[in-house]
Amino acid sequence: NAGVTQTPKFRILKIGQSMTLQCTQDMNHNYMYWYRQDPGMGLKLIYYSVGAGITDKGEVPNGYNVSRSTTEDFPLRLELAAPSQTSVYFCASSKRGLDEQYFGPGTRLTVT
Amino acid sequence: AQSVTQPDIHITVSEGASLELRCNYSYGATPYLFWYVQSPGQGLQLLLKYFSGDTLVQGIKGFEAEFKRSQSSFNLRKPSVHWSDAAEYFCAVAQFKAAGNKLTFGGGTRVLVKP
Repeated sequence: NAGVTQTPKFRILKIGQSMTLQCTQDMNHNYMYWYRQDPGMGLKLIYYSVGAGITDKGEVPNGYNVSRSTTEDFPLRLELAAPSQTSVYFCASSKRGLDEQYFGPGTRLTVT
Repeated sequence: AQSVTQPDIHITVSEGASLELRCNYSYGATPYLFWYVQSPGQGLQLLLKYFSGDTLVQGIKGFEAEFKRSQSSFNLRKPSVHWSDAAEYFCAVAQFKAAGNKLTFGGGTRVLVKP
């Protein structure tokens, strides 16, 4: 049982490039989330999904896009990367949205 | 809008000593509250949660937390700290939304354990 997996673990992007952060969960969870973590700022919600085909914005969605075509996958797309998007990105999932969230190991992204 | 405040950014504690991490929340209704721990280079792991009932909640790794409605607090405690407890700790409150439920996290408290 792999839980929540994220790829890549590390990535360096140049300003203006784009990329997709992958997230997959094998627990048949309905809810999936993308957070970014900046030092001293805790976790900020970027986007979340309550099921396949349904997504909604979190606190800091600008510069990001998501899709949820299957229950298992919830990729996060960065278009036109900017230095302000340098952060650690975490994907998480939960069964019902009010219970425990299971987190992936994170992706450390640097934009230069 | 709800919010979570963790007043202490860093705490240093000696191994074997007690630990208390503070968490204050702002939420209009009865809150669902959580404490998560993040070890270096790892994702977050749930320590404990409070939904209702007994205001003293037991969690994993010997941690407990007490919900005090009058003080809008949910402080985390451990009687005797081990070196492996060095990590960052996050308090969170659940937000109920028609579009889907989600968590709001505090800024975190980093705990350093001295030998």
